[in-house]
Amino acid sequence: DTAVSQTPKYLVTQMGNDKSIKCEQNLGHDTMYWYKQDSKKFLKIMFSYNNKELIINETVPNRFSPKSPDKAHLNLHINSLELGDSAVYFCASTPEGYVSPLHFGNGTRLTVT
Amino acid sequence: SQQGEEDPQALSIQEGENATMNCSYKTSINNLQWYRQNSGRGLVHLILIRSNEREKHSGRLRVTLDTSKKSSSLLITASRAADTASYFCATGPDMNTGFQKLVFGTGTRLLVSP
Repeated sequence: DTAVSQTPKYLVTQMGNDKSIKCEQNLGHDTMYWYKQDSKKFLKIMFSYNNKELIINETVPNRFSPKSPDKAHLNLHINSLELGDSAVYFCASTPEGYVSPLHFGNGTRLTVT
Repeated sequence: SQQGEEDPQALSIQEGENATMNCSYKTSINNLQWYRQNSGRGLVHLILIRSNEREKHSGRLRVTLDTSKKSSSLLITASRAADTASYFCATGPDMNTGFQKLVFGTGTRLLVSP
């Protein structure tokens, strides 16, 4: 009965490859997010979707493309991976944007070699 | 930037002691939230305090908010080894710009020794 689930948990790949991370929430929330946490634990928002529509797109390289097929899913596709993309990527959801708590997945640790 | 800053960056205490973490931010906000992150896991929400509230309690947690100083504190009383984790404050949305994003602080790493 996991609320926000991400797959895979670990992803090791070489520079230049394309990879995807999937996220699903079974909480019935309208808003979903992708956050990136670097090696210093700094957590930064990347994207936010509300009911399948993109509402926040931070200054993220266009190699990163989010896709929301329905409001319960928000996937992240990354093209031409670079060493600097290595980080932990977290999916999160909320029912009412930022006036309510975020529910986080357990993260996907991406290592680019 | 609106990013919150927390201090101390790291805190090491014995079981039974109290732990206090502070968070400072830069803009007017709607609410401030505290999260805990255990190693290798996602963040877990602890408490949300609104800008018109000054103090909030939840079990062994006590949060204060001083909007005039743009600061908040998280107090964990009678700490346990299981409280060992990183703690983050998060602020948003920005009431001046309407920026609809939650901005996380730099985090405090708490170590509670048995």
